[in-house]
Amino acid sequence: AQSVTQLDSQVPVFEEAPVELRCNYSSSVSVYLFWYVQYPNQGLQLLLKYLSGSTLVESINGFEAEFNKSQTSFHLRKPSVHISDTAEYFCAVSPLGGATNKLIFGTGTLLAVQP
Amino acid sequence: DAGITQSPRHKVTETGTPVTLRCHQTENHRYMYWYRQDPGHGLRLIHYSYGVKDTDKGEVSDGYSVSRSKTEDFLLTLESATSSQTSVYFCAISDSIRGASGANVLTFGAGSRLTVL
Repeated sequence: AQSVTQLDSQVPVFEEAPVELRCNYSSSVSVYLFWYVQYPNQGLQLLLKYLSGSTLVESINGFEAEFNKSQTSFHLRKPSVHISDTAEYFCAVSPLGGATNKLIFGTGTLLAVQP
Repeated sequence: DAGITQSPRHKVTETGTPVTLRCHQTENHRYMYWYRQDPGHGLRLIHYSYGVKDTDKGEVSDGYSVSRSKTEDFLLTLESATSSQTSVYFCAISDSIRGASGANVLTFGAGSRLTVL
């Protein structure tokens, strides 16, 4: 079985400051890793994903996440946030192989960017 | 939302009444999912479908049933709604178990907010 832990339910930060949203997972098998973003009153959108290869993955809007297998982590970072980054961010895992086809989500982190 | 429409977007109902939420997709994707989102719980899978008339339970399926008679429609039914089913319900689709990239990438609808009084 898999589980995902997002340690911070809310992260307040000032505009143009750096931010890190933490994600740790537990799994007995290898997994794919994802970050989804949910803007107010909208559905979830894929932000970035790690499948294989380079452990550092980037999104088109400046976020990046690094897969750390030894620490079972996939933290999300951005060097300088904007007001428009205010949203809830969900980390998720999907196990490799097998018949399962579901995503397991963390509880989410609300990123609140203040001017 | 990538060709996914959920209806109704908002509904208020009373305990004990039946409720049906509809998810309609125009992407011709094989896999469809129903999740519920609750504060402190993130998203939890209720049911999913891997083809017409092929469905299976997720982690929180009690009190819910689903049907998929056409590729494009996936219905979630609460036979007798309870207050604990007050939630935001999200439909998602995927073109395959592993997708072209080898990973199960889901595309989500805008959500249906259900309040059970």
